[in-house]
Amino acid sequence: AQTVTQSQPEMSVQEAETVTLSCTYDTSESDYYLFWYKQPPSRQMILVIRQEAYKQQNATENRFSVNFQKAAKSFSLKISDSQLGDAAMYFCAFMDSNYQLIWGAGTKLIIKP
Amino acid sequence: DGGITQSPKYLFRKEGQNVTLSCEQNLNHDAMYWYRQDPGQGLRLIYYSQIVNDFQKGDIAEGYSVSREKKESFPLTVTSAQKNPTAFYLCASSPQGYQPQHFGDGTRLSIL
Repeated sequence: AQTVTQSQPEMSVQEAETVTLSCTYDTSESDYYLFWYKQPPSRQMILVIRQEAYKQQNATENRFSVNFQKAAKSFSLKISDSQLGDAAMYFCAFMDSNYQLIWGAGTKLIIKP
Repeated sequence: DGGITQSPKYLFRKEGQNVTLSCEQNLNHDAMYWYRQDPGQGLRLIYYSQIVNDFQKGDIAEGYSVSREKKESFPLTVTSAQKNPTAFYLCASSPQGYQPQHFGDGTRLSIL
């Protein structure tokens, strides 16, 4: 069975600094997608970034970028120039060949002003 | 604006009662999903539907039922057989294929 592990229940970072959230996954599939979602206190789930497994180039979206290591089955999220609005739960998710999402348990990100 | 609407925002269930959570989307997405979120856990899939009049059980379907009579609607019924229904419920939709899912604002269900 496929699993997604987020080993950091909580992380904190000073405003304007950089933070990296970890995610590892386990699968025997070769073709899949990976996602990071953000869930602020409002509880709405918001897509942050996605990565296609067949692409070697790491995805970037403004201040958000990923470090995708396919052989190591690692998919970390880097947030640069952290802002107060980045405070949220961050979930890593794996999409399998049935287009179903398997979710990690989440990392709570705290931004210190 | 296109989006997913879940209602109600808060819902209370009495013992032995069935309750229905509404989910409507105007994104013209084929696929729709229901998730349950408990504190300290990721989302768990209850049911999903890839096409109208067809749906499949997810990992935790026991005590829940769904219907998909219209493309834009995917209501979830929490039956009295679900003994621990207190949770946050999220509905999502997506186009077919490896596409990101879009989420509603959720419904919080509690037991009276």
